Amino acid sequence: GAGVSQTPSNKVTEKGKYVELRCDPISGHTALYWYRQSLGQGPEFLIYFQGTGAADDSGLPNDRFFAVRPEGSVSTLKIQRTERGDSAVYLCASSLRQGSYNEQFFGPGTRLTVL
Amino acid sequence: AQRVTQPEKLLSVFKGAPVELKCNYSYSGSPELFWYVQYSRQRLQLLLRHISRESIKGFTADLNKGETSFHLKKPFAQEEDSAMYYCTLRGGSNYKLTFGKGTLLTVNP
Repeated sequence: GAGVSQTPSNKVTEKGKYVELRCDPISGHTALYWYRQSLGQGPEFLIYFQGTGAADDSGLPNDRFFAVRPEGSVSTLKIQRTERGDSAVYLCASSLRQGSYNEQFFGPGTRLTVL
Repeated sequence: AQRVTQPEKLLSVFKGAPVELKCNYSYSGSPELFWYVQYSRQRLQLLLRHISRESIKGFTADLNKGETSFHLKKPFAQEEDSAMYYCTLRGGSNYKLTFGKGTLLTVNP
């Protein structure tokens, strides 16, 4: 079946602009996660949704970052006033539900470049 | 706090040679440990988890709580094993995955 999809695959923007990154989880998966992977690093947790609500947004680096999942399926990560340090690959993952034995399936990522 | 350390950024071996990718972790409770793999131009995917105690694609990993290690091993490396490998920890009921920085394994013919 279809896996997690993310759009766009690449996004180039200028410093100070606003960007939105989209994630379509696997159908039926109630848990959704965003991670950020900077060059030479492993993915770092940003935010976790269970259904429509953000159960944990402790990984968001500052208030320029915000994410929504209004209908419990598609999620959008929003970044305001982008900075060069925001350049990274943003990964989305979903799982059947939150729990110890529910594998997180990852999308291909969106590569964000802030000039 | 939870932390995962992969001391080798790069590891190069010849086909048929044994390979061991090292991983050490720091966590105060009982963690779940995983190895994720990313092949060239593919997405990140789960390779194996310590609770399954299974061999996947010839790879095994044993959780050593005394040494806080979860090294990944394969007795005979194949060229198709070339990939980036991430040691990953999930602490208790916490759903967050904490990744190491990754080890790029290259298996030469």
